[in-house]
Amino acid sequence: AQSVAQPEDQVNVAEGNPLTVKCTYSVSGNPYLFWYVQYPNRGLQFLLKYITGDNLVKGSYGFEAEFNKSQTSFHLKKPSALVSDSALYFCAVSLSGSARQLTFGSGTQLTVLP
Amino acid sequence: DGGITQSPKYLFRKEGQNVTLSCEQNLNHDAMYWYRQDPGQGLRLIYYSQIVNDFQKGDIAEGYSVSREKKESFPLTVTSAQKNPTAFYLCASSDPGLATYEQYFGPGTRLTVT
Repeated sequence: AQSVAQPEDQVNVAEGNPLTVKCTYSVSGNPYLFWYVQYPNRGLQFLLKYITGDNLVKGSYGFEAEFNKSQTSFHLKKPSALVSDSALYFCAVSLSGSARQLTFGSGTQLTVLP
Repeated sequence: DGGITQSPKYLFRKEGQNVTLSCEQNLNHDAMYWYRQDPGQGLRLIYYSQIVNDFQKGDIAEGYSVSREKKESFPLTVTSAQKNPTAFYLCASSDPGLATYEQYFGPGTRLTVT
């Protein structure tokens, strides 16, 4: 079985400071990893993914994430946070070669303070 | 929210009534998914369909039913057997044939049962 953990329910950061949203995963094979963002009462928007290749992946809106196989982590980062980044962030994992079923973490609420 | 529409945005029903949530996509994707979102629990997979006229149960299928008669449509029925139907329901689609893997989400339907 595959699982995802987002250890922080809430992350607060000042505007202009770097931000990190943590994610660890557990799968029995090669993982496909994703980050999504959700604004209130909206669907999820895709931010970035790791499938294979370079461990550092860059995505939308200046976000990036680093795949760390030894630590089974896929933390989301941004060098300089904006107030508009405030939203609910979900990490998800899919097992390579599977029916593309995604398993989601419980979500992290990011608040960027002006 | 891409080419996936969900209607209505808000839905109210009395306990004991069945209700059907609509999901339509114009992305020409083969695969479609239904998720349920509850506060603090992330997204949980209800049903998914890889191709027309075929679908599989997800992690929490009890009390729900689906059909996939057309490629672009994947309606979800919440039956009276679902003990806690009040939730935010999200539909998604993907194209397993492409080397992209991410799922695209609709705007969601918030169902309230009283």
